[in-house]
Amino acid sequence: DTAVSQTPKYLVTQMGNDKSIKCEQNLGHDTMYWYKQDSKKFLKIMFSYNNKELIINETVPNRFSPKSPDKAHLNLHINSLELGDSAVYFCASSQEASGYEQYFGPGTRLTVT
Amino acid sequence: AQSVTQPDIHITVSEGASLELRCNYSYGATPYLFWYVQSPGQGLQLLLKYFSGDTLVQGIKGFEAEFKRSQSSFNLRKPSVHWSDAAEYFCAVGARTGFQKLVFGTGTRLLVSP
Repeated sequence: DTAVSQTPKYLVTQMGNDKSIKCEQNLGHDTMYWYKQDSKKFLKIMFSYNNKELIINETVPNRFSPKSPDKAHLNLHINSLELGDSAVYFCASSQEASGYEQYFGPGTRLTVT
Repeated sequence: AQSVTQPDIHITVSEGASLELRCNYSYGATPYLFWYVQSPGQGLQLLLKYFSGDTLVQGIKGFEAEFKRSQSSFNLRKPSVHWSDAAEYFCAVGARTGFQKLVFGTGTRLLVSP
């Protein structure tokens, strides 16, 4: 019973393509997040949704578009992929938007060639 | 805005020895504090958290951390390291006001020698 799941686990694609990563949580949490971990293992938040509403939007290129169809799902669509987008993308969730720990998914390793 | 410093990039500890990983934060008040562990190719697992109350918090896998307000620190400790503890450890802070985004340190890679 995976709490936070992501698909796919690995994604290899060429520059210029468009790709999506899906995230689902079965914890009943209200808030979900996307983080990016670069090649040096540095983790940085990208977006956060609370009850399907965008609440955090860090300085991320507008080629990245999150979408939350319901509280349990948060997808990340990336247009016109660039080499610098290569990273591991983690989805996370928390019970509410503040004051609760975040639970992370297994990550999606995106490689852009 | 909050920030986190993990001054040790790598630490090597002998199996059975004690461990302390350092974490210093910068924030205008007492933040929420977390330690996560990432094994190779895996996601992040929450080890422990500090929200309020007792400044010594216990976590999973025998880890503990102590919040020291005067030193702006939240160091992670384990009395006896096992080979399976080899992983990357991340300290993170979250603000107490507004929507919570975690700000992570750069991580400390723990190597365990036999």
